[in-house]
Amino acid sequence: DAGVTQSPTHLIKTRGQQVTLRCSPKSGHDTVSWYQQALGQGPQFIFQYYEEEERQRGNFPDRFSGHQFPNYSSELNVNALLLGDSALYLCASWGRGSSYEQYFGPGTRLTVT
Amino acid sequence: KQEVTQIPAALSVPEGENLVLNCSFTDSAIYNLQWFRQDPGKGLTSLLLIQSSQREQTSGRLNASLDKSSGRSTLYIAASQPGDSATYLCAVKDSSYKLIFGSGTRLLVRP
Repeated sequence: DAGVTQSPTHLIKTRGQQVTLRCSPKSGHDTVSWYQQALGQGPQFIFQYYEEEERQRGNFPDRFSGHQFPNYSSELNVNALLLGDSALYLCASWGRGSSYEQYFGPGTRLTVT
Repeated sequence: KQEVTQIPAALSVPEGENLVLNCSFTDSAIYNLQWFRQDPGKGLTSLLLIQSSQREQTSGRLNASLDKSSGRSTLYIAASQPGDSATYLCAVKDSSYKLIFGSGTRLLVRP
């Protein structure tokens, strides 16, 4: 049983560019959340997708957007990249019929230069 | 607004020592609490999940307790090993099902 997978592993972008990160949830999970983790900090909630809709959103600007597909996989898009967007981006999945335990992927390390 | 604090921020212990990591949260209206382990540059591995109605959970050498009324949780690691060296994060899930994390405790177990 594959766990949560994310791609790519690492990414280097230039200020002003746009980036798309991808996540496949653990088998049987239907809800995906995205988190941003700056160096030395705990992860910060970006948003959550369920039934292909954004259900919850954290304190992040509209430059951060997402999508969930019918197979429950998800994308995180960030436009007009800033240096401060450099971070580890984590995807988590869980199933609403389960114990609500969240499982995390290995993350995508984004560096903005 | 829910805030999660972890103390200490860093801890260095000799191998074999029993240790306790602390987590506190400001709003007792939580759905559950999870402890995670994170190795440098890696994702999060779930260690223990405690539902709001539970008092503790155990897995191997790990034991986590929850006192919702006082807003506290502890992670107890017995007979620590060098392989336990990592950052330990606690997170509470609120009614909107998002996780709110502390900043973590960086643990180093010296051989």
